[in-house]
Amino acid sequence: SQQGEEDPQALSIQEGENATMNCSYKTSINNLQWYRQNSGRGLVHLILIRSNEREKHSGRLRVTLDTSKKSSSLLITASRAADTASYFCATDLTGANSKLTFGKGITLSVRP
Amino acid sequence: DAGITQSPRHKVTETGTPVTLRCHQTENHRYMYWYRQDPGHGLRLIHYSYGVKDTDKGEVSDGYSVSRSKTEDFLLTLESATSSQTSVYFCATQVDSPYEQYFGPGTRLTVT
Repeated sequence: SQQGEEDPQALSIQEGENATMNCSYKTSINNLQWYRQNSGRGLVHLILIRSNEREKHSGRLRVTLDTSKKSSSLLITASRAADTASYFCATDLTGANSKLTFGKGITLSVRP
Repeated sequence: DAGITQSPRHKVTETGTPVTLRCHQTENHRYMYWYRQDPGHGLRLIHYSYGVKDTDKGEVSDGYSVSRSKTEDFLLTLESATSSQTSVYFCATQVDSPYEQYFGPGTRLTVT
């Protein structure tokens, strides 16, 4: 069963605009993580937010977590063409023994 | 990339043949994972290891076996490859729980 569900499935924006991606999950988590995957490459970790945190920042990235709604959002500000990639949320479920459950991913296209 | 290499990077094999994929890490991370990535499914966990000789099944373990005789190496074996195992396989490592995972570059496997 899919734990993390990203929304939208695909997003196309103009360079300089902000990109917002959402992730919903179903059960209790220890933390939630966002990863990026460029075409033909492995995933790269972007940011981890723990269940007792509400917001984290890393450069142009801002992640929020609402455990009452079981949802998270990833905001990329002032997007660049180089941000074009697939983005995945992954949940570290309570009691899952260090296993992450990944969503199907969001394809972001940033037009120059 | 946390010093993670995968071999081979590409492989074409015939149905019914055994195949072994290798993941090698130089970071002394405790946890190692094997995922497969298929269109429409995102990343799905096959097997993982939480120490030398300590392994456990993931979401899609049928038809796969693993071994970890050294901290740095995690082998994935398809005993008798089937066309449904055509996929891109990713290895990942994690220093400990609950932290981020580091991914290898992937192995594209085609079973004809």
